[in-house]
Amino acid sequence: DVKVTQSSRYLVKRTGEKVFLECVQDMDHENMFWYRQDPGLGLRLIYFSYDVKMKEKGDIPEGYSVSREKKERFSLILESASTNQTSMYLCASSVGVDRAEKLFFGSGTQLSVL
Amino acid sequence: QQQVKQSPQSLIVQKGGISIINCAYENTAFDYFPWYQQFPGKGPALLIAIRPDVSEKKEGRFTISFNKSAKQFSLHIMDSQPGDSATYFCAARDRGSTLGRLYFGRGTQLTVWP
Repeated sequence: DVKVTQSSRYLVKRTGEKVFLECVQDMDHENMFWYRQDPGLGLRLIYFSYDVKMKEKGDIPEGYSVSREKKERFSLILESASTNQTSMYLCASSVGVDRAEKLFFGSGTQLSVL
Repeated sequence: QQQVKQSPQSLIVQKGGISIINCAYENTAFDYFPWYQQFPGKGPALLIAIRPDVSEKKEGRFTISFNKSAKQFSLHIMDSQPGDSATYFCAARDRGSTLGRLYFGRGTQLTVWP
């Protein structure tokens, strides 16, 4: 089975801190995604990547950046964390260069910014 | 702008009953309609999916009904069980976008009472 591993289950940070959320997948998938999940708002796409060093903005990229230096690893960076970035962050991966089919999600990182 | 509208936001069903979750869309470029199931503390996982060339797809107790002319699709869970209690997300893929990215509905929290 595909495994998507997010480095932290819970994270507490202070306003203004730089925050790194790490995600690793073990199935050689080309595509990786970062979503944010908030109650009543569903899953909103922050950034995605279809190849090493390639990235594309999703629907809510403001305040975030990403890094993909290796195929298996996709990092989400909050340059200066703010309280409105308190949320559940979900990483996902999928196979397929052209068309993203089935997404495999990690278990999420619950980030609290105080 | 919400690409996929999902209702209801929450649903309570008695064990053995039928659970119905509805989704609607406007974008005619959507060509693939998956449903994801998420249990507490876990990431979403693909449950069942349909393409617009068929009107219904059934897998065990789960059925997707698809109405192309009305741009609506729904998930029916027959003989609902307490173990079906989860959050369900409908989604739609835009074949014209990079990676054919998915747009998710806001989710439905299903509770099945024993």
